[in-house]
Amino acid sequence: NAGVMQNPRHLVRRRGQEARLRCSPMKGHSHVYWYRQLPEEGLKFMVYLQKENIIDESGMPKERFSAEFPKEGPSILRIQQVVRGDSAAYFCASSSDRAQYGNTIYFGEGSWLTVV
Amino acid sequence: GDSVTQMEGPVTLSEEAFLTINCTYTATGYPSLFWYVQYPGEGLQLLLKATKADDKGSNKGFEATYRKETTSFHLEKGSVQVSDSAVYFCALTGGSARQLTFGSGTQLTVLP
Repeated sequence: NAGVMQNPRHLVRRRGQEARLRCSPMKGHSHVYWYRQLPEEGLKFMVYLQKENIIDESGMPKERFSAEFPKEGPSILRIQQVVRGDSAAYFCASSSDRAQYGNTIYFGEGSWLTVV
Repeated sequence: GDSVTQMEGPVTLSEEAFLTINCTYTATGYPSLFWYVQYPGEGLQLLLKATKADDKGSNKGFEATYRKETTSFHLEKGSVQVSDSAVYFCALTGGSARQLTFGSGTQLTVLP
């Protein structure tokens, strides 16, 4: 049973370009979460999605960031017009049911975005 | 809202020393508590969890007990190894938030 798969693992973008990060949850999981880890900092929640729905986006920056989890295919975190401050590790996680019920959230290995 | 406070690092120990990393939380209701570990350049791996008061989670020699009276979930290991060097994150779900709330992480370095 494959774990949470993220790609690309490493991505370099110039300022002003777009970054797209993909996440395939564990088999049977329909809840997806995105977290951001800035250098030397902890993990900050960004967005929580279920298939075709955004459940909680309270941690998403108001501009340039968007996320989706379509009926078919992986979840996508999209960052438009990247700036140097977007350089970070972006982690995707998934769970089989709502995390608030104590279900374990499993993490992918992360996508490291570097903006030059 | 919910929050997790972790002992600040970095923590440096000699091999076979006893480890404690303190974690306290603030949450409404009855949260579930977790410890995750992150090795350099990798993602987070679940180390252990506890879902109700007085539960003890354990894995790979690490233990943590869910103490509701002190709102704590301290991580302990009796004899650390060099391979335990990593960043350890305490986290919770099930309070007011619908996802994991993390502490700031504690960097552990174990010297041979």
